[in-house]
Amino acid sequence: DARVTQTPRHKVTEMGQEVTMRCQPILGHNTVFWYRQTMMQGLELLAYFRNRAPLDDSGMPKDRFSAEMPDATLATLKIQPSEPRDSAVYFCASGLARLAIHNEQFFGPGTRLTVL
Amino acid sequence: GENVEQHPSTLSVQEGDSAVIKCTYSDSASNYFPWYKQELGKRPQLIIDIRSNVGEKKDQRIAVTLNKTAKHFSLHITETQPEDSAVYFCAASIAFDTGGFKTIFGAGTRLFVKA
Repeated sequence: DARVTQTPRHKVTEMGQEVTMRCQPILGHNTVFWYRQTMMQGLELLAYFRNRAPLDDSGMPKDRFSAEMPDATLATLKIQPSEPRDSAVYFCASGLARLAIHNEQFFGPGTRLTVL
Repeated sequence: GENVEQHPSTLSVQEGDSAVIKCTYSDSASNYFPWYKQELGKRPQLIIDIRSNVGEKKDQRIAVTLNKTAKHFSLHITETQPEDSAVYFCAASIAFDTGGFKTIFGAGTRLFVKA
């Protein structure tokens, strides 16, 4: 049963520290999404990639957030420097996109980030 | 860009009753509408979806309807059970001709089913 994996599952850090979250998409999936979930904002799209190329990161604060896919099996989301308002659950999701055809997104378990 | 509004934010029903959650979207190019269920502390999981060339789809106790003209879509859960208690998210997705898709989620509806 293939699943998206994320590490770490929980992270507590102090304001100003760098945070790196990692995601392993399901093997064969070519689209990866990063979402942030807070009580107030629901599921907020931060960035997404297709075939490792960033398609849209307009939802991401550019000054402190960065997202990359160094290879097809790893996506990273980095916050530097972190701030208390970044505290949230960060979900990664992957899917298989074909021309003009949607497919289901599979979510990872999330990384719960707390910035003190 | 796409904007998805979801109502109500909280819904409480008696076991056995029906629950209806409604969503509207802004971008007429959206052509795929999935619904996700998220239990407390868990990841969102797809429960049903509908494509823009279909007006209604049903899977056992859940059904989804789509009105493209009005840009409305709704989730209907019949004969609700306590295990249906969760947060439900609607979403609108646009597929690109070059491949890939972008999905925008509603704010979520917290459903409580009272036994």
